[in-house]
Amino acid sequence: SQKIEQNSEALNIQEGKTATLTCNYTNYSPAYLQWYRQDPGRGPVFLLLIRENEKEKRKERLKVTFDTTLKQSLFHITASQPADSATYLCALDPGYSSASKIIFGSGTRLSIRP
Amino acid sequence: EPEVTQTPSHQVTQMGQEVILRCVPISNHLYFYWYRQILGQKVEFLVSFYNNEISEKSEIFDDQFSVERPDGSNFTLKIRSTKLEDSAMYFCASDDNEQFFGPGTRLTVL
Repeated sequence: SQKIEQNSEALNIQEGKTATLTCNYTNYSPAYLQWYRQDPGRGPVFLLLIRENEKEKRKERLKVTFDTTLKQSLFHITASQPADSATYLCALDPGYSSASKIIFGSGTRLSIRP
Repeated sequence: EPEVTQTPSHQVTQMGQEVILRCVPISNHLYFYWYRQILGQKVEFLVSFYNNEISEKSEIFDDQFSVERPDGSNFTLKIRSTKLEDSAMYFCASDDNEQFFGPGTRLTVL
């Protein structure tokens, strides 16, 4: 069955360092991979989308890589700040229709300490 | 900035009762979704909706669930006979190449 794993339930790093979060998947061939931020009690907020034919995408301090051979995506936040503390979700979209069933990982809770 | 809105923010109901959760998607979006998130668990896809019909649905979305777009702005999720295990946050989302989620409705079934 399809499975998504995000590394460690929680990640604690020092402010200013680069946070790296991992998303691995099995038995799946997504056309798109998305990353979201979720704060407690709130809905997910879209951050980045990367397509299967893209290796890397950047947006300000965020960088996402996508390796379809390894079935893995890495999500980096450079120059991390306490305000980056949140749960980060990866989500897979098969892309076979415009309103496909998207599967979410369980998330990694990131804490940035000052 | 346009946003997805949901009402109510919190709904408490007795087991077996019907509930209707309401959403107003972003006005020029064409694709709409419902998700649920049980406390401490992952966000789970329920259903997607396009052109006034269901596009995809998950195994969770059984006969107890239905969706409707009764007018040009609202998008509703109805649960016909609620069960204890339906207690969760329910998120609506709309899409124009990226998904915009609403703030959610917390459903508590007693």
